[in-house]
Amino acid sequence: QSVLTQPPSASGTPGQRVTISCSGSSSNIGSNYVYWYQQLPGTAPKLLIYRNNQRPSGVPDRFSGSKSGTSASLAISGLRSEDEADYYCAAWDDSLSVSFGGGTKLTVL
Amino acid sequence: QLQLQESGPGLVKPSETLSLTCTVSGGSISSSSYYWGWIRQPPGKGLEWIGSIYYSGSTYYNPSLKSRVTISVDTSKNQFSLKLSSVTAADTAVYYCARCIAAQLNNWGQGTLVTVSS
Repeated sequence: QSVLTQPPSASGTPGQRVTISCSGSSSNIGSNYVYWYQQLPGTAPKLLIYRNNQRPSGVPDRFSGSKSGTSASLAISGLRSEDEADYYCAAWDDSLSVSFGGGTKLTVL
Repeated sequence: QLQLQESGPGLVKPSETLSLTCTVSGGSISSSSYYWGWIRQPPGKGLEWIGSIYYSGSTYYNPSLKSRVTISVDTSKNQFSLKLSSVTAADTAVYYCARCIAAQLNNWGQGTLVTVSS
C-alpha cells in the first residue's frame, strides 16, 4: 500500500485534457515538493515534473503540475498516443524517506 | 552525459543476500548536492524507494526495509552498492539506481531484474 494515493487508471481521447491526482499528508506533500515521473512500457521512469510545477528541459509544455495543501495534480493537455504510460507522483517525507504514489496507467483511447 | 548501470546476479535464493552495484559514468559520484539511490519495482506493480547515500557515506533508508538494507559507496570506483538480506519471493523486482536530490530522481539506470527463487 503506497503512502501517496493515485487513481489506478485514467483515460482520454487524442487532443483531450486529462488530470491525474495525488493525495498525501502533511508530512509529505503538505510540507515538501511534489515530483512526477513518466514510465513508458518496458523502460525506466523519467522525471516529468519537479518542484511541484517545473518541467525539465525537453518535456513539452503540454505537461503541467500543481499542488494545493496535501494534494497535487498532473495535467496533460492535447493528449497524444505517445503519452500512454504509467505516471507516478513522489514526495520527500519528513520521516526522512521518499514516498511514491501507486501509479496511474494512462490509456489514450 | 551522466549514465548509471546496474549489475549483479539475476537470481538469488530465498534467505540469501541480494547484492547489486551501480556504476556511474560521465560524472563523479563525489559531486556535491547529489545523493545516489536505489528504487525497485515488482513485476506489474509500482515503484518503491529503497534508500539513498551521499558520497560521504550518509544514508537514508525506507523504514519498511531498513532492517535488511545496506547501501555503501566506493568513490574510487565511482560506484555505489545495495545489499538486501534475508530475501523472499516478495523481493523479486526490477532494481533501479538513480541520482537524486530527496525525491527528485534526475537520472536513472536501465534497471536489472532480480528473481528470488530456489
